Amino acid sequence: EAQVTQNPRYLITVTGKKLTVTCSQNMNHEYMSWYRQDPGLGLRQIYYSMNVEVTDKGDVPEGYKVSRKEKRNFPLILESPSPNQTSLYFCASSKGQTNTEAFFGQGTRLTVV
Amino acid sequence: GESVGLHLPTLSVQEGDNSIINCAYSNSASDYFIWYKQESGKGPQFIIDIRSNMDKRQGQRVTVLLNKTVKHLSLQIAATQPGDSAVYFCAETHHNTDKLIFGTGTRLQVFP
Repeated sequence: EAQVTQNPRYLITVTGKKLTVTCSQNMNHEYMSWYRQDPGLGLRQIYYSMNVEVTDKGDVPEGYKVSRKEKRNFPLILESPSPNQTSLYFCASSKGQTNTEAFFGQGTRLTVV
Repeated sequence: GESVGLHLPTLSVQEGDNSIINCAYSNSASDYFIWYKQESGKGPQFIIDIRSNMDKRQGQRVTVLLNKTVKHLSLQIAATQPGDSAVYFCAETHHNTDKLIFGTGTRLQVFP
């Protein structure tokens, strides 16, 4: 089954404690991206990657890092989480850079206290 | 479910009626538009897309209309069903960019 898998689904952490949210896709997609979703703001792109070892900033990259060492994986790293990073995070993948038919993961609800 | 839709505009329709969800997009240079459906507790799911060289595209029970003059996009759902209840997002992009810009969403509620 074609899917994008994120882990964990739910995470509560404390300010400053480094964390990683994993994302994996099994569709051999080149394009992957991370979004955060907040009430009244819709989905905002954090980072994206057009292929292995190629990443770029989206609209709200501050406080986040990503890596793309393998085509299937695109982890999101919060080196020093802060309460304003409490949000719902989605990973997505698609065939090409025009985001055609992007497939989204189930989401990760992160709470930073 | 997730609380992402606390401040969303809401459209309430009766089962069997047609629904029209509207979206105003921001960039006149955008040339590709997508509608996504997000059910409670799930990620957005692709519904239908349209390119700027078209003004209408039809899928199964859904139609997307594009009016580039006023930068307006709409999603029409025929014979709305309870399973259509969700938050609907429009998104825009341009072939020269890698960014997909989402609207803030509309909650569709279907009542019997």
